[in-house]
This record gives sequence, C-alpha cells and structure tokens, in this order.
Amino acid sequence: GQQVMQIPQYQHVQEGEDFTTYCNSSTTLSNIQWYKQRPGGHPVFLIQLVKSGEVKKQKRLTFQFGEAKKNSSLHITATQTTDVGTYFCAADTGRRALTFGSGTRLQVQP
Amino acid sequence: EAQVTQNPRYLITVTGKKLTVTCSQNMNHEYMSWYRQDPGLGLRQIYYSMNVEVTDKGDVPEGYKVSRKEKRNFPLILESPSPNQTSLYFCASSSKGRGGDNTEAFFGQGTRLTVV
Repeated sequence: GQQVMQIPQYQHVQEGEDFTTYCNSSTTLSNIQWYKQRPGGHPVFLIQLVKSGEVKKQKRLTFQFGEAKKNSSLHITATQTTDVGTYFCAADTGRRALTFGSGTRLQVQP
Repeated sequence: EAQVTQNPRYLITVTGKKLTVTCSQNMNHEYMSWYRQDPGLGLRQIYYSMNVEVTDKGDVPEGYKVSRKEKRNFPLILESPSPNQTSLYFCASSSKGRGGDNTEAFFGQGTRLTVV
C-alpha cells in the first residue's frame, strides 16, 4: 500500500535555529499537504502543494514539492517557541483518503 | 462555524463492551476518515468514506466498523474492544477537489479511548 516516510522523528532545537522535516512517498502524488498538531491538540492544515517543483512560503515556513512529486520538505527559519508541535505530511494519490507520515515532533528550547 | 464534532472526548471502557464514537461534520464534505494516533506511529488510517454508503478499509481496520448512512455522520464502532485499541482517535473530513483529490482536511478534537 501507500508508504509515506517522514524524518526525523524528533528534533530539539534552540530558539532561533532552523528546522527541516522531510517526507518521501513510494508513489507519485497528485498533491501533498502539511499539518501541524500542537501538544494536546488536533492536526491543523497548513498548506497544500500541487505542482511539480512547487515552493510556497508562509512567513518563516517554506514548503517544497519535489520535481518527481514523490517528496516534500518543510523548513522553518529561526524557530520560535510557538513552533513547538508535531508536523505531519499527508500524501494524496487522488484515489483514496490522505495517508499521513509518522510526523516530526519539534521541541524548541527558549 | 465549520467544524467536525466527535463524541465522547474521553472514554474508559472494559474489554468486550461494544462502543460507538460519533463524528459529525457541517461542511457538506464528501470524504470522511477515521485515524488512530499512537506514540511514534503518527496517524494511521482505520477506515475512510468517499461518499454516502461508500466505505473502504484503511491501513488498520481490524476490530473496527464504520457506516455512512448520511453525508454528515461517520460513526466508528468497536464491537468488542480490546486493550490494544487504547489510543487517541481522530475523525476528519474533506471535500472532493478537482480530479477527485482531497482538499484541506478538518479534524475533530479527538477521542481518547482506554480499554481495560
């Protein structure tokens, strides 16, 4: 079945450092989505990438979709304590519901 | 307000006692899904539904049932719960985009289930 690998599983950074999480799919995707889950909360949609090679920015967050539409990354510049949480990628093949990666838990040390 | 409502939020039950977790969305979404979240395993899909009366198994369907009799509701049924079903459960809905893609998924608040 659909495989979505996400790394790293956990990252602890000092406030102000950068952070990146990577997502890889075993199959070509129609789109990929990113979600953030704060501790004790539910996943909340951040963004959707559709086009090959697409790059989107939301303030300090940069999202990329690979040329082959099989991988994606989320990069946070100059992390803040408000960035704490677990970041999930979610793969959409266009044929069934979203398949989520295992998530990357981000801890930010003030 | 657009939302996905799950009930109950917390539940402690005993092995073998049938239970239902309800999920309702008010956005007229076609797609609905159930996920379970366990430490280190992310969100694993249990069942999903592409529309009324259309359901399919996800990655971990054993021990669960679902039904989609109405567009807004997608209950998760545990006929005979076991301790390995202790988990955090999320219901999600999304609309059908171009070409059948999933648009943004909205999640319920979660149901923390403990089976003793």
